[in-house]
Amino acid sequence: TAGITQAPTSQILAAGRSMTLRCTQDMRHNAMYWYRQDLGLGLRLIHYSNTAGTTGKGEVPDGYSVSRANTDDFPLTLASAVPSQTSVYFCASSDSGTGEGNEQFFGPGTRLTVL
Amino acid sequence: GQNIDQPTEMTATEGAIVQINCTYQTSGFNGLFWYQQHAGEAPTFLSYNVLDGLEEKGRFSSFLSRSKGYSYLLLKELQMKDSASYLCAVIDSNYQLIWGAGTKLIIKP
Repeated sequence: TAGITQAPTSQILAAGRSMTLRCTQDMRHNAMYWYRQDLGLGLRLIHYSNTAGTTGKGEVPDGYSVSRANTDDFPLTLASAVPSQTSVYFCASSDSGTGEGNEQFFGPGTRLTVL
Repeated sequence: GQNIDQPTEMTATEGAIVQINCTYQTSGFNGLFWYQQHAGEAPTFLSYNVLDGLEEKGRFSSFLSRSKGYSYLLLKELQMKDSASYLCAVIDSNYQLIWGAGTKLIIKP
């Protein structure tokens, strides 16, 4: 079982360009999440989806958009990248929402550098 | 504001015991997680506490005191592979997961 995969592994992007980070899970989890992780800071939630067809904003949603057309896929799009979006991006999934104490399973991450 | 405090870095010796503390001030509390993250890798689940007390799982144990806003992760019989960052995360009243910055644990032979 692959679990949760992300693509690309790393990317260097020119400022102003758009990019979509891909995330796919094969565990049939209802909830999915996008985080960014920066040195010295905790994981910060960008967007989440509690079930296919619904999405919500996290702590740092500005400059990012998501969609959840089906259970397995949860792509994250940067419409016009800026250098402050340089970070490591993690996608995660859980069987249901956070409230039930379900552990989140993380993908391997995408290291994005915006120049 | 919401805040989770953990020491930035700790050092311990192989075979010893280490305790990593986490204190939190959040809008409500609905549970606390500990995750392990090796350098360059994804976080992986270690433990979940929602009631006061100690949860033991092999060499790792996690303790929670809700009245004190405090948790710790106890690692026994330390091995070199335990060198990693340990992340504390709290579920707040809105069922959002608030993450600490993590504690980098360095194990020396």
